[in-house]
Amino acid sequence: DGGITQSPKYLFRKEGQNVTLSCEQNLNHDAMYWYRQDPGQGLRLIYYSQIVNDFQKGDIAEGYSVSREKKESFPLTVTSAQKNPTAFYLCASRTLGTEAFFGQGTRLTVV
Amino acid sequence: QKEVEQDPGPLSVPEGAIVSLNCTYSNSAFQYFMWYRQYSRKGPELLMYTYSSGNKEDGRFTAQVDKSSKYISLFIRDSQPSDSATYLCAMSDGNTGKLIFGQGTTLQVKP
Repeated sequence: DGGITQSPKYLFRKEGQNVTLSCEQNLNHDAMYWYRQDPGQGLRLIYYSQIVNDFQKGDIAEGYSVSREKKESFPLTVTSAQKNPTAFYLCASRTLGTEAFFGQGTRLTVV
Repeated sequence: QKEVEQDPGPLSVPEGAIVSLNCTYSNSAFQYFMWYRQYSRKGPELLMYTYSSGNKEDGRFTAQVDKSSKYISLFIRDSQPSDSATYLCAMSDGNTGKLIFGQGTTLQVKP
């Protein structure tokens, strides 16, 4: 089935540790996105990529990094520089000019 | 000022009521407009997508776009308890690929 797969579903991070969230899509979409959602809040854009090997910062990129080496993959690394990483992370993809589709999210908790 | 403003609610209505959800935006370059429904701890699911001013209907849902006023709406007819969720508006321009979300409105439909 076509879709977007995020893994893991739950992730725990120790203080000072980097962690990487996976996002894979088989929809042949050019653009991919990472969002952060805090309780009771909307989606805030972290990074997005329109084509392979290119990406742009969103509104809250500090403390995060991404790569886009393959069209179907857009992993997000939450670095130790992100001081408040506990949140729900959502990945989306779309063909530009059309609607976006989402994965089921990764819930990251600092322990 | 945020690019997209959405009243967070919460909004509580009786079953069978007509619900009106609204977003305003400031960026006149936005061309593509979406509405999503999100249940707790899940990824958002697409309800409506439109790129032109006017109305678009799909079952009990009607999306309305007024580009001159920079205002979009989602109407839900004959609301059901299963419609209880958070509703997010999203919009994008045609060049940068940036996809921005509103804060989300929490809706409760009471039996």
